Amino acid sequence: SQQGEEDPQALSIQEGENATMNCSYKTSINNLQWYRQNSGRGLVHLILIRSNEREKHSGRLRVTLDTSKKSSSLLITASRAADTASYFCATDSSGGSNYKLTFGKGTLLTVNP
Amino acid sequence: DAEITQSPRHKITETGRQVTLACHQTWNHNNMFWYRQDLGHGLRLIHYSYGVQDTNKGEVSDGYSVSRSNTEDLPLTLESAASSQTSVYFCASRVSGNTIYFGEGSWLTVV
Repeated sequence: SQQGEEDPQALSIQEGENATMNCSYKTSINNLQWYRQNSGRGLVHLILIRSNEREKHSGRLRVTLDTSKKSSSLLITASRAADTASYFCATDSSGGSNYKLTFGKGTLLTVNP
Repeated sequence: DAEITQSPRHKITETGRQVTLACHQTWNHNNMFWYRQDLGHGLRLIHYSYGVQDTNKGEVSDGYSVSRSNTEDLPLTLESAASSQTSVYFCASRVSGNTIYFGEGSWLTVV
C-alpha cells in the first residue's frame, strides 16, 4: 500500500504564481523526500527533509514537515512553465542498512505561460 | 559520470512470453530497486536488493523475479508476461546518503 498520498492530484496555475502540494503519510519516518518527473522521464530528487526538521529551503523550493500530523508540503515559488511536471513525495521508514523508499501517487503540476 | 541505464527502453511482447529488463549502474552501489509506474497507482516497489546474492520482494512482486550476481546489474524478469504487466518500469539505485537515482524507464506493452 502507498505510504505517501499527495494532494491535489492535479494543479494548474499561471506562470509567476506559487504552487503548493501536500503529502500525507501513515507511519513514522526517518526522512521525507520530494521528487520531480518530467513527462516520459525518470524521477529526479529535489529535496530531503529529516524527521527532526520542520522546514527546508532550496532555491525556489520550500518544504515543511509536520510529524505530529504526518504531513509535508512542497511550495514552489514564482513558478515557471519549465516547472510543469509530476511531483512525488517519498518516505524513508527503513532501519539501518535496509533502505527503502515508498512513493505516493504524485501531483501533476501544469504551469501555463 | 556515473549513471544508471535501462534497456530496452521500449518493448512490445506477447502474453505468456518471458521478458527481461536490464538495469546497469556504474556507481558500484549495493542498493538497487525496481518500481513500476501506473496511472492511479504512482510508483510501486517490485523487488529490491541490498547487495550481491541478496534479493527481496516488494509490494507487487507476483509474476516478477530478480537476480543479483554482481554489484552493477539487477535484471528484472517477467516469467510469463500478462497484460496486467503493461507498465513503465523504473530501476533505481541508492547512490549516497538517503536519496536514490532513477533510470529513464522501460516502457513495456504486453499484447
